[in-house]
Amino acid sequence: DGGITQSPKYLFRKEGQNVTLSCEQNLNHDAMYWYRQDPGQGLRLIYYSQIVNDFQKGDIAEGYSVSREKKESFPLTVTSAQKNPTAFYLCASSPRNRDRVLNEQFFGPGTRLTVL
Amino acid sequence: LAKTTQPISMDSYEGQEVNITCSHNNIATNDYITWYQQFPSQGPRFIIQGYKTKVTNEVASLFIPADRKSSTLSLPRVSLSDTAVYYCLLHSSASKIIFGSGTRLSIRP
Repeated sequence: DGGITQSPKYLFRKEGQNVTLSCEQNLNHDAMYWYRQDPGQGLRLIYYSQIVNDFQKGDIAEGYSVSREKKESFPLTVTSAQKNPTAFYLCASSPRNRDRVLNEQFFGPGTRLTVL
Repeated sequence: LAKTTQPISMDSYEGQEVNITCSHNNIATNDYITWYQQFPSQGPRFIIQGYKTKVTNEVASLFIPADRKSSTLSLPRVSLSDTAVYYCLLHSSASKIIFGSGTRLSIRP
């Protein structure tokens, strides 16, 4: 089956530790995205990548880092600099933009990160 | 950045048509209007996208008036499984995506 996988589904970490969330897609999509969702709120864009070896900051990139060494993978590291990292993290991918219009995004199941 | 305004919540009954309206008074010329559905603890799922007039697919219709300052998502004959949060968003590029708080739709038997 084609799709996006995120692992793990639940993650617990101690305050001050960096943690890396995995996102893999086999849809052959060029673009990938990371969002954060807090309870009762909408999604906020952290980082996005439109092509391998290139990525851009979204609205709330501070305290996060990403890499895009392979087309199918876009891991997100939540660093100790992120002041309030406990949240639901969602990864998405979409086909290459055409005419600069954002195509439909396909989302993974999410990772719920809790920092103790 | 152009913002969207949606009702916080709506209730309806099985078999009814549900219309959710989104206001976007400051929509830019390049902005497209997209609607997503999200169930608890899951990622959102694309429903429909449009630029102007009417768009219809197998699950919904999207009505956009000529001035594009609002849009209406229409769900025909809803069922209990349509209970979810519905997001209206505007975007012209990946760097300008804003998901608002959405509309929490509850369907009753």
